Amino acid sequence: GESVGLHLPTLSVQEGDNSIINCAYSNSASDYFIWYKQESGKGPQFIIDIRSNMDKRQGQRVTVLLNKTVKHLSLQIAATQPGDSAVYFCADGGSQGNLIFGKGTKLSVKP
Amino acid sequence: SQTIHQWPATLVQPVGSPLSLECTVEGTSNPNLYWYRQAAGRGLQLLFYSVGIGQISSEVPQNLSASRPQDRQFILSSKKLLLSDSGFYLCAWSVIRAGQGASSYNEQFFGPGTRLTVL
Repeated sequence: GESVGLHLPTLSVQEGDNSIINCAYSNSASDYFIWYKQESGKGPQFIIDIRSNMDKRQGQRVTVLLNKTVKHLSLQIAATQPGDSAVYFCADGGSQGNLIFGKGTKLSVKP
Repeated sequence: SQTIHQWPATLVQPVGSPLSLECTVEGTSNPNLYWYRQAAGRGLQLLFYSVGIGQISSEVPQNLSASRPQDRQFILSSKKLLLSDSGFYLCAWSVIRAGQGASSYNEQFFGPGTRLTVL
């Protein structure tokens, strides 16, 4: 079956530094991945997605990298700000159309 | 633009009482709709999804049920709540976009959630 996991449950970074959040997936047939940000007490918010025909995709201050060889993706946040503090989930689009979510990484930004 | 509403925002219910959570979507037609539950400090567990009116798929056995009486309305119900039903319930919608071959892209958008506490 499919599984999505995160390497670290918590990550603490200094304001202004770059953050890297990692995620592993097991289904080699997965061709679509999404990163979500969830602030306390709110629903997850779409950040960025990537399709398997890409290795890298950039948004505003965020970059997602996909390594299909080792079934790993990462979310990089440049110049991390206090407003970036949240739980970040990766989601695997799988082959059935429904998303499979990882457990989440809590990002804390120190001023 | 599309918006998704959930209510109530918070709910405290005694064990054994019934439950009805409602989710509505605006600005899109024939969306896929989803109910997730999130335990404190945990990931999202898919409970139900629906690809159309009256079409419900259950992902996990439980004492919850879902219904879709209208195209953009999704309801989560229970006849008798258990303590273990406490959690953060999230509704989401998507429109699956066709990709290459048999692949599809399922970008889901979430509502604000309902915090349910069963005492």
